[in-house]
Amino acid sequence: ETGVTQSPTHLIKTRGQQVTLRCSSQSGHNTVSWYQQALGQGPQFIFQYYREEENGRGNFPPRFSGLQFPNYSSELNVNALELDDSALYLCASGLAGTYEQYFGPGTRLTVT
Amino acid sequence: DAKTTQPPSMDCAEGRAANLPCNHSTISGNEYVYWYRQIHSQGPQYIIHGLKNNETNEMASLIITEDRKSSTLILPHATLRDTAVYYCIVRPIGGSNYKLTFGKGTLLTVNP
Repeated sequence: ETGVTQSPTHLIKTRGQQVTLRCSSQSGHNTVSWYQQALGQGPQFIFQYYREEENGRGNFPPRFSGLQFPNYSSELNVNALELDDSALYLCASGLAGTYEQYFGPGTRLTVT
Repeated sequence: DAKTTQPPSMDCAEGRAANLPCNHSTISGNEYVYWYRQIHSQGPQYIIHGLKNNETNEMASLIITEDRKSSTLILPHATLRDTAVYYCIVRPIGGSNYKLTFGKGTLLTVNP
């Protein structure tokens, strides 16, 4: 059984650019959630995808968007990057109807 | 979701029990108590959850007070590898499998 993986590990972007982060869910899981974790803070929920549709969203603007693919891999896209978008981005996969979520190691995004 | 309050930091000697408290005085009857931990530079890891009965698994024990307004996570024999930020989360029963609301958690430092 493979765990949740994310790519890339680290990324540096310039303000105003766009970024795509990728997540591969744990085998057998059909939901994927994305979280943003600023330095010294707990993770903040961005959104979740189930059956390739957004299924709940936190307090993040529309420039944060996502995709879930039939193989349950997922992307997080952020447009018009701002300095405050610098954070660790975590994805978590789970099985609908259960209560556990399994997190990946995260992608560290730095916006300069 | 109900709010949780945790001490910002705690110390524990290696081999001793670590008892991490959490206050969730506004918890409602349809909300579970969850614990996750985050070791430095890793994604959060599920530990345990419970509704009103005490729970135990291979990692820890969860003690929930009778009025459900507080709980304690117990690591029976703490090791250096248990040094991490521990998050107490309250989450509704049912609904979709999403949205863990993290606070700042408790930084547990296990000392040799």
